[in-house]
Amino acid sequence: EAGVAQSPRYKIIEKRQSVAFWCNPISGHATLYWYQQILGQGPKLLIQFQNNGVVDDSQLPKDRFSAERLKGVDSTLKIQPAKLEDSAVYLCASSHWTDSYEQYFGPGTRLTVT
Amino acid sequence: AQSVTQLGSHVSVSEGALVLLRCNYSSSVPPYLFWYVQYPNQGLQLLLKYTTGATLVKGINGFEAEFKKSETSFHLTKPSAHMSDAAEYFCAVSAPNTGNQFYFGTGTSLTVIP
Repeated sequence: EAGVAQSPRYKIIEKRQSVAFWCNPISGHATLYWYQQILGQGPKLLIQFQNNGVVDDSQLPKDRFSAERLKGVDSTLKIQPAKLEDSAVYLCASSHWTDSYEQYFGPGTRLTVT
Repeated sequence: AQSVTQLGSHVSVSEGALVLLRCNYSSSVPPYLFWYVQYPNQGLQLLLKYTTGATLVKGINGFEAEFKKSETSFHLTKPSAHMSDAAEYFCAVSAPNTGNQFYFGTGTSLTVIP
């Protein structure tokens, strides 16, 4: 079974630029999560999708972050404009609707904002 | 609300020695508890989980953890450390009343000394 795919793996941008990350969950997983992991901290949930609907985006900085999951499969997370404090690893995870408490994580995208 | 505290951001053990990584949680309802491992430049991999039933749970790579409700703890142990165990370990809690949102601890970096 293929795992959660993410791209790119690494990205370096200057502050005030925009960036987008892509995630392809495990086939058949209805729930998709985006996490932000700042160096030295545990992952923090940014947004949770159930199919193509948003379940929880309470911790998403909506003035600069946006996410979508068209057709309930792939998802993109965008930051516009980026700030220095957005430097982090962005992790995507997915889970099956019958076992939603077991999440499978992708390798992450390491973002550096200079 | 749920939260996790991992005592000790860095733990060093000799190869062959006991590994003990501490995790205490806070939850207003019966929690689900997890340990994840993260190797450099990789995503999180589930080691083990507790949902209901037996309080001693066994996971992959020889790890196990015991849910102690009276102590609100879920410490991770392994009888004999291997060099390959060197990684970052995260404890996480979720609960059905929070939509199974995960709350992660800040992580413990395990070093294995040959």
